[in-house]
Amino acid sequence: AQSVTQPDIHITVSEGASLELRCNYSYGATPYLFWYVQSPGQGLQLLLKYFSGDTLVQGIKGFEAEFKRSQSSFNLRKPSVHWSDAAEYFCAVVSTGGGNKLTFGTGTQLKVEL
Amino acid sequence: EAQVTQNPRYLITVTGKKLTVTCSQNMNHEYMSWYRQDPGLGLRQIYYSMNVEVTDKGDVPEGYKVSRKEKRNFPLILESPSPNQTSLYFCASSHGQGESPLHFGNGTRLTVT
Repeated sequence: AQSVTQPDIHITVSEGASLELRCNYSYGATPYLFWYVQSPGQGLQLLLKYFSGDTLVQGIKGFEAEFKRSQSSFNLRKPSVHWSDAAEYFCAVVSTGGGNKLTFGTGTQLKVEL
Repeated sequence: EAQVTQNPRYLITVTGKKLTVTCSQNMNHEYMSWYRQDPGLGLRQIYYSMNVEVTDKGDVPEGYKVSRKEKRNFPLILESPSPNQTSLYFCASSHGQGESPLHFGNGTRLTVT
């Protein structure tokens, strides 16, 4: 079965510092991978997605992610974090069963120190 | 504005009292789904629907029902809620292909006492 692991439950960074959120997946074929962000009291918003092609994908709000098949990873990065980036971040992979079912990681809570 | 609308946003109820959480989307999406979010568990799929009158179980369907009589609506029904169904619920929709991202509603926080 497909699975997604986000090993960091909480991360704290200073505003202006760089950020990397880790995501590892388990999937038999080429995966469809997503990163979503959830601000307090809000639903999930798509940051970026990877299906094929260039392994470095750009998303909204200055985020990017790199797909590394050899490491089964899809880490999210941002060169300079803003206080408004404080939120919970979810990595997800489309599962083979159930149509468009996303299997989510358990999330990483990002805190930004001013 | 393209959106997924859930109601209510907050709901407190008692064990055994039937309730319905509504979900509506205005994007003509074929695929709709319900998730529950619990601390440390991420989001888990409850039910999904590939199109009108086509629904199927997700990973945690016990205690829930759904229906899809119209393309835009996908209500979640708890016929006899229990405290272990206290959670944050999200409805989502997409065009149904694997690469189509899900659009999420803003969530319904349910407390069952």
